[in-house]
Amino acid sequence: GQNIDQPTEMTATEGAIVQINCTYQTSGFNGLFWYQQHAGEAPTFLSYNVLDGLEEKGRFSSFLSRSKGYSYLLLKELQMKDSASYLCAVRDPGSGYSTLTFGKGTMLLVSP
Amino acid sequence: GAVVSQHPSRVICKSGTSVKIECRSLDFQATTMFWYRQFPKQSLMLMATSNEGSKATYEQGVEKDKFLINHASLTLSTLTVTSAHPEDSSFYICSARTRATNEKLFFGSGTQLSVL
Repeated sequence: GQNIDQPTEMTATEGAIVQINCTYQTSGFNGLFWYQQHAGEAPTFLSYNVLDGLEEKGRFSSFLSRSKGYSYLLLKELQMKDSASYLCAVRDPGSGYSTLTFGKGTMLLVSP
Repeated sequence: GAVVSQHPSRVICKSGTSVKIECRSLDFQATTMFWYRQFPKQSLMLMATSNEGSKATYEQGVEKDKFLINHASLTLSTLTVTSAHPEDSSFYICSARTRATNEKLFFGSGTQLSVL
């Protein structure tokens, strides 16, 4: 089966750093994705990890440990516009179509 | 980046009517398109996967006769909600995967369906 866990909500202040964790148990693994979703909008791609380690892209970084089934998204220098839901998704090649299974998302609220 | 166009963005319909949602890849050929449904404050739930020219593969619990998917070309997929009921009210999102970059999914802007 598939199980992806992430915190439901987090709060942080403008200019701070926040880390959003994601743990997964899936029958197969072929990459982990982070998406940002503002209310009423479609998700937008943030990062992709398939090998262990840290991927840095501007203010956002994503880390993966395959042996631990663990990833985190690190957001630095938080801005008000970063208030959104952050979705962790795992690609499982076992389905034959390499579909993504999404976590329930972490709602991040950035306050002044 | 690759652009996926989805419309309509919002539709309100009466119970019992059918609604068609279109998803187009504008500047790339989508080998595979996915349809997701999202209820308020919940995650995206995959409904079905379709490859161009073949029948869609539906996830468990999704009625294929109710949610008709057609993927007639490499740039167009449609989802038709037949005989819609209020419980079908949801946010529907399509996504597409390119031939060139297998890693990324590109999402449409979503369709908010409200069935009265």
